[in-house]
Amino acid sequence: QKEVEQDPGPLSVPEGAIVSLNCTYSNSAFQYFMWYRQYSRKGPELLMYTYSSGNKEDGRFTAQVDKSSKYISLFIRDSQPSDSATYLCASMRVMDSNYQLIWGAGTKLIIKP
Amino acid sequence: NAGVTQTPKFRVLKTGQSMTLLCAQDMNHEYMYWYRQDPGMGLRLIHYSVGEGTTAKGEVPDGYNVSRLKKQNFLLGLESAAPSQTSVYFCASSSGLASGELFFGEGSRLTVL
Repeated sequence: QKEVEQDPGPLSVPEGAIVSLNCTYSNSAFQYFMWYRQYSRKGPELLMYTYSSGNKEDGRFTAQVDKSSKYISLFIRDSQPSDSATYLCASMRVMDSNYQLIWGAGTKLIIKP
Repeated sequence: NAGVTQTPKFRVLKTGQSMTLLCAQDMNHEYMYWYRQDPGMGLRLIHYSVGEGTTAKGEVPDGYNVSRLKKQNFLLGLESAAPSQTSVYFCASSSGLASGELFFGEGSRLTVL
């Protein structure tokens, strides 16, 4: 079992819809959670970074972490064609001062005009 | 505003050949990483460096070597390429291990025949 799991998609939604992207993790030692966006043939770029359970909002994007159920979500409001990309979730744990970042395989999102 | 630059962007090798991927960053970051990205697998850490002259093994180090002779450069070498090393390789850098923000290059696509 992978430590961080994502549905690979693709997830196809019409422009303007609310998008929900999800991730689950198996290890309760994970403390930090990130969402990266990766456009086709480009490197990933950080979108959201959260530490605790709860919501964090940045413009049209909201990251939600539920540590009790080990569930991470990214919501995109008023989705745009430019949001079409692969979204990677990542979780980080600290063990003996060693920071280890574990990545999900990514969910491909397609926003149809 | 280069950020992280990888060369070459594409390469085709025959089994048994050797090559070096070069990564250069202009953000004065201490930490640099080499990842490989394969379909359905997510990003997997090959090797990383916490400063000039240091290197450490990641999750999948076998078949690869690295060197960090200068702070801004991180080289990834394949001594004897195998078809299993066909992948997209990403270099990244960060200001610290605790930072969830990695800055990625655009990737190097390697095919081993």
